[in-house]
Amino acid sequence: GEDVEQSLFLSVREGDSSVINCTYTDSSSTYLYWYKQEPGAGLQLLTYIFSNMDMKQDQRLTVLLNKKDKHLSLRIADTQTGDSAIYFCAERSGGFKTIFGAGTRLFVKA
Amino acid sequence: KAGVTQTPRYLIKTRGQQVTLSCSPISGHRSVSWYQQTPGQGLQFLFEYFSETQRNKGNFPGRFSGRQFSNSRSEMNVSTLELGDSALYLCASSLGTSGNEQYFGPGTRLTVT
Repeated sequence: GEDVEQSLFLSVREGDSSVINCTYTDSSSTYLYWYKQEPGAGLQLLTYIFSNMDMKQDQRLTVLLNKKDKHLSLRIADTQTGDSAIYFCAERSGGFKTIFGAGTRLFVKA
Repeated sequence: KAGVTQTPRYLIKTRGQQVTLSCSPISGHRSVSWYQQTPGQGLQFLFEYFSETQRNKGNFPGRFSGRQFSNSRSEMNVSTLELGDSALYLCASSLGTSGNEQYFGPGTRLTVT
């Protein structure tokens, strides 16, 4: 069935780059998303990539998609303490459902 | 443009009661999806509505239901509440169902005692 997996925790130092990884199973995925959730808040769409793209850059964010391996990554350059949050990877499946990973909690150490 | 709004933000109910949650999408958005977020299960898809029709449904019991009105506002209802229904219920709106990006509301935190 459809599944999205992410590592649960990532800790980086302020100023370093963060790379959050995600794998998915549905080969008919059309869109892949990255969301950010801060404590007590809803999900904020950070960026998304169409399944026919390999890379998308948006300011400090770079998304890489390896469709063959069904692997998606989010790189945050110059990570700041304000980037501490939970990051969710999600795929829009061929059945038009959006399936979310469990989220990666990013800790940024000053 | 105003974002997605959800009411109420917090709710406390007792087992056996029922609850109705409301979601107003971004103006012009016709699709509304509902998700349940719990620490144990993460984000789980409940259902999606587009133009007043349910387009997709997740794997939840029939106690969970929803509807969408002609103005795209949506409600979800949970009947015969159980302790395990305690969760953050998130609503998301998008222009359509073809994969347009979804914008989430702040959620309704439901506590069942």
